[in-house]
Amino acid sequence: QSVLTQPPSASGTPGQRVTISCSGSNSNIGGNFVYWYQRLPGTAPKLLIYKDIQRPSGVPDRFSGSKSGTSASLAISGLRSDDEADYFCATWDDGLRGYWVFGGGTKVTVL
Amino acid sequence: QVGLQESGPGLVKPSETLSLTCSISNASISGSHWSWVRQPPGKGLEWVGYFYSSGITHYSPSLKSRVTISVDTSLTQISLTLTSVTAADTAVYYCARGGGYGDHFYFDYWGQGILVTVSS
Repeated sequence: QSVLTQPPSASGTPGQRVTISCSGSNSNIGGNFVYWYQRLPGTAPKLLIYKDIQRPSGVPDRFSGSKSGTSASLAISGLRSDDEADYFCATWDDGLRGYWVFGGGTKVTVL
Repeated sequence: QVGLQESGPGLVKPSETLSLTCSISNASISGSHWSWVRQPPGKGLEWVGYFYSSGITHYSPSLKSRVTISVDTSLTQISLTLTSVTAADTAVYYCARGGGYGDHFYFDYWGQGILVTVSS
């Protein structure tokens, strides 16, 4: 059971907007930055969003992050077939002397 | 572009020691945190711990009695050692740059991961 809760799957047709949630608690999301990663099959995870809402250079603005309280979200607008991948969230947890925690991952399918 | 490549045995017997290596390219070990993260089949990701270039380490509370992360003398590889393994340690193991102490030290580069199965 992951510390951060994500829906196991999400889907949409090309061009649609898909939103993935990541739910935590005051000791993690509620007080720390959230990060989002994309993992295409057989490849290394790639940083999509850092510090809740920032995009690294090279990441399209179709990807956006948001956070409110103890939950965060990743939105993918203008869905494309090559967005089909696993997406997971990560953040620091202040409990137990501190450690990194992750969501269980959400498989996005482009219909 | 920073490159990370995990290597090591894909099969380890129960009660034995799991040893993996992460080869780093296009980056210096100095000044960065280097982490191991694992994902058991069908489960979410779990942070194992980090090594900082000054020699500081910090491990997951659930694994700290069995895990060691270190750098080799060539300063181009990070190693993971996990003792007394059981089937619960079967997972894809990733190395990553980042994952230091606090939310600013995020993971920015990852390896592709290596599947390690614990079985007799």
